[in-house]
Amino acid sequence: QVQLQESGPTLVKPSETLSLTCTVSGDSINYSHWTWIRQPPGKGLEWLATVYYSGTTTHNTSLSSRVTTSIDPSKSQFSLQLSSATAADTALYFCARVRGDFSNPIDFWGQGTQVTVSS
Amino acid sequence: DIQMTHSPSSLSASVGDGVTITCRASQSISTNLNWYQQKPGKAPKLLIYAASTLQSGVPPRFSGSGSGTDFALTISGLQPEDFATYYCQQSYSSPLTFGGGTKVEVK
Repeated sequence: QVQLQESGPTLVKPSETLSLTCTVSGDSINYSHWTWIRQPPGKGLEWLATVYYSGTTTHNTSLSSRVTTSIDPSKSQFSLQLSSATAADTALYFCARVRGDFSNPIDFWGQGTQVTVSS
Repeated sequence: DIQMTHSPSSLSASVGDGVTITCRASQSISTNLNWYQQKPGKAPKLLIYAASTLQSGVPPRFSGSGSGTDFALTISGLQPEDFATYYCQQSYSSPLTFGGGTKVEVK
């Protein structure tokens, strides 16, 4: 069974960088796309970025200048960095898997980690 | 970006009712449409992919249909565990986009 676990600070100060890591178990990190999605309180789901095991990345254009993603296959981890955080970045952050091709569905999700941006 | 629009945004129903939720894409996405169920504070769960394929382990009372721009998720005989919010998502092109969700509440 594939499992994903998000980790990182739950409180980030405004203007600082929000950094999260997702650790994958039960599956090879190779040959799938790995994705970050967030959900602000009481709102819907927003796709942030996807990274392929090869390191190829794609980001939501609404955030592209602030988002950085990376992958470390040797550790079965991938990461998200969101710079210049504001209160609008307060959300439940999920990491997730898109099996195989990017056009496939998101079939496994982490439990999510709540991140609050506040001084 | 492809916009996804749910209808209705919420509905009230009783256990045993049949329910249909629709999702419209702002442009054709073929059958690259997925449905998720989410309960408060939990991660979404994949129900249907490629518009009509039932994900392994999902009860057959869930079904999906549609292609192009118009899609539907039907629940035949609501069960107590089905009260949740449902999201459609297009995987046709980047950026991946979700609809705003339909909340299914107890009448």
